[in-house]
Amino acid sequence: GNSVTQMEGPVTLSEEAFLTINCTYTATGYPSLFWYVQYPGEGLQLLLKATKADDKGSNKGFEATYRKETTSFHLEKGSVQVSDSAVYFCALSVDGAQKLVFGQGTRLTINP
Amino acid sequence: GAGVSQSPSNKVTEKGKDVELRCDPISGHTALYWYRQSLGQGLEFLIYFQGNSAPDKSGLPSDRFSAERTGGSVSTLTIQRTQQEDSAVYLCASNPPGTSGGPQYFGPGTRLLVL
Repeated sequence: GNSVTQMEGPVTLSEEAFLTINCTYTATGYPSLFWYVQYPGEGLQLLLKATKADDKGSNKGFEATYRKETTSFHLEKGSVQVSDSAVYFCALSVDGAQKLVFGQGTRLTINP
Repeated sequence: GAGVSQSPSNKVTEKGKDVELRCDPISGHTALYWYRQSLGQGLEFLIYFQGNSAPDKSGLPSDRFSAERTGGSVSTLTIQRTQQEDSAVYLCASNPPGTSGGPQYFGPGTRLLVL
């Protein structure tokens, strides 16, 4: 079946630290990969996506590269800010389907 | 412009009662999704509507759950004979025409508590 496994949280970092949140997947088809973010008190937002191997999605200083050989889509940011504190979800859809399979989410807290 | 709106924002009900949750997508968006977010199960797909096509209902957990979308706009998710395990945040999302691969615009959700 299709599944997504995320780095367990919570993750706590200091401002300006380097961030990596690991995400690996298993898929029966050819997946598209996504990162969503949920800020405190707000709705879920699409952060970035990649639809084929070696594609890099990027937004708001975050990046993730679709690695087919390691079935991974790790989220990275070079210098985090307090405003990046949120819950981050990795997700996939298979063969163009609109149904997403989500990871369990990783809570990130950035301290000033 | 206005985003996806959902009502009510919170709903408390007794086990066995029926509930209706409403979603108003962004005007002009043809795709509409329902997901739910619970502590035990995380984020789960429920149902997907695209224009006039038959909806993808493959995520509905039981026949107590149903959804409809009237006039290609507003959608209602109905849960009959609610159970405590239905307690969750129910999220609606919509996409504009021509968007591929997953919902992009989520509403704030309806928090359902079944006592």
